[in-house]
Amino acid sequence: DGGITQSPKYLFRKEGQNVTLSCEQNLNHDAMYWYRQDPGQGLRLIYYSQIVNDFQKGDIAEGYSVSREKKESFPLTVTSAQKNPTAFYLCASSISPSSRETQYFGPGTRLLVL
Amino acid sequence: AQSVTQLGSHVSVSEGALVLLRCNYSSSVPPYLFWYVQYPNQGLQLLLKYTSAATLVKGINGFEAEFKKSETSFHLTKPSAHMSDAAEYFCAVSRNAGNMLTFGGGTRLMVKP
Repeated sequence: DGGITQSPKYLFRKEGQNVTLSCEQNLNHDAMYWYRQDPGQGLRLIYYSQIVNDFQKGDIAEGYSVSREKKESFPLTVTSAQKNPTAFYLCASSISPSSRETQYFGPGTRLLVL
Repeated sequence: AQSVTQLGSHVSVSEGALVLLRCNYSSSVPPYLFWYVQYPNQGLQLLLKYTSAATLVKGINGFEAEFKKSETSFHLTKPSAHMSDAAEYFCAVSRNAGNMLTFGGGTRLMVKP
């Protein structure tokens, strides 16, 4: 089955710790995205990548970093500089970065701070 | 810059009643518009999208939406609500560069038996 997988489902972070959220897709999509969802709010874009080895900051990139070394993988690192990391993180992909293309979402990772 | 407003963070309907979820957008250019549904602790699933073809768009699970340029609206409707429709619904507009989505704040739909 083709799709997007995110792991882990739940992640706990200690103060001062960096944590990495995994996102893998086997849809052969060029573009990938990371969003943050806070309770009762819509999704906000953290980073996006239109093609392998390239990525751009979204609206709330501070305290986060990404890499895109492989087409199918787009991991997100939440650094210690992100002071309020507790949220639901969603990864998405689309066949191309064209504005008319549908973004397909993974099941999400919930990050909690200890 | 594009933006999306969803009127009503919570909507409650009875089973079998009409569902109407409101979405208004602002965009300097003809937009591409999307409706997604999210069940608790899950990712988002596409319901339907408008990409400048027909103004009345039919989606999955009996939902449809009508693009009205004069009203800058893209409201989501379903003639008869089912209990399984209870979820959170998000309207989104695609920005012109890079397929970045701007989301509305979401509307939580509750269906009463």
